[in-house]
Amino acid sequence: EADIYQTPRYLVIGTGKKITLECSQTMGHDKMYWYQQDPGMELHLIHYSYGVNSTEKGDLSSESTVSRIRTEHFPLTLESARPSHTSQYLCASSGQDYNEQFFGPGTRLTVL
Amino acid sequence: KNQVEQSPQSLIILEGKNCTLQCNYTVSPFSNLRWYKQDTGRGPVSLTIMTFSENTKSNGRYTATLDADTKQSSLHITASQLSDSASYICVVSDRGSTLGRLYFGRGTQLTVWP
Repeated sequence: EADIYQTPRYLVIGTGKKITLECSQTMGHDKMYWYQQDPGMELHLIHYSYGVNSTEKGDLSSESTVSRIRTEHFPLTLESARPSHTSQYLCASSGQDYNEQFFGPGTRLTVL
Repeated sequence: KNQVEQSPQSLIILEGKNCTLQCNYTVSPFSNLRWYKQDTGRGPVSLTIMTFSENTKSNGRYTATLDADTKQSSLHITASQLSDSASYICVVSDRGSTLGRLYFGRGTQLTVWP
């Protein structure tokens, strides 16, 4: 079944740790996105990709980095997590209709 | 500045009742408007999409309206159910980019009580 997956769903880590949030989609979409969402607030675009080997920064400045080596995979990495990184991270993808984005279930990150 | 404003911020209704959520936007040039439902701890799921020429669109108990002149949209939920408890997010896209630039509202948190 075509879908978009994120792991882990929940993550609690200590300050200074390196983490990678995984995102995979089986829909064959070229475009992928990472959003950050705090409770009661709107989604903010932090990274996006047009396709393999393409990565761009979004509207909200983020210390995270992303890579796009395979079409279906778009991981996000934090080299040194801080409490200010505590948030929900949502991955999304879109096909030819780039206005229609499909979202993964999200990763709830807590940095102590 | 492109913005999407939603009201109310939160809403509590009894099961079986109807409710209407509002969305005002200033996004230009306008492409389309979507309403998403986001359950707690989950990603948003699209409910309806409306383009410039559409005034009303239904999806089961959900009916969305769009007034492109006043830049307003509403989402009406009929005969609410406990499973309707979620955040409803208004998302507007513009025609000015190839990326698929989306502008998100902060959502209306709907709680349905038995």
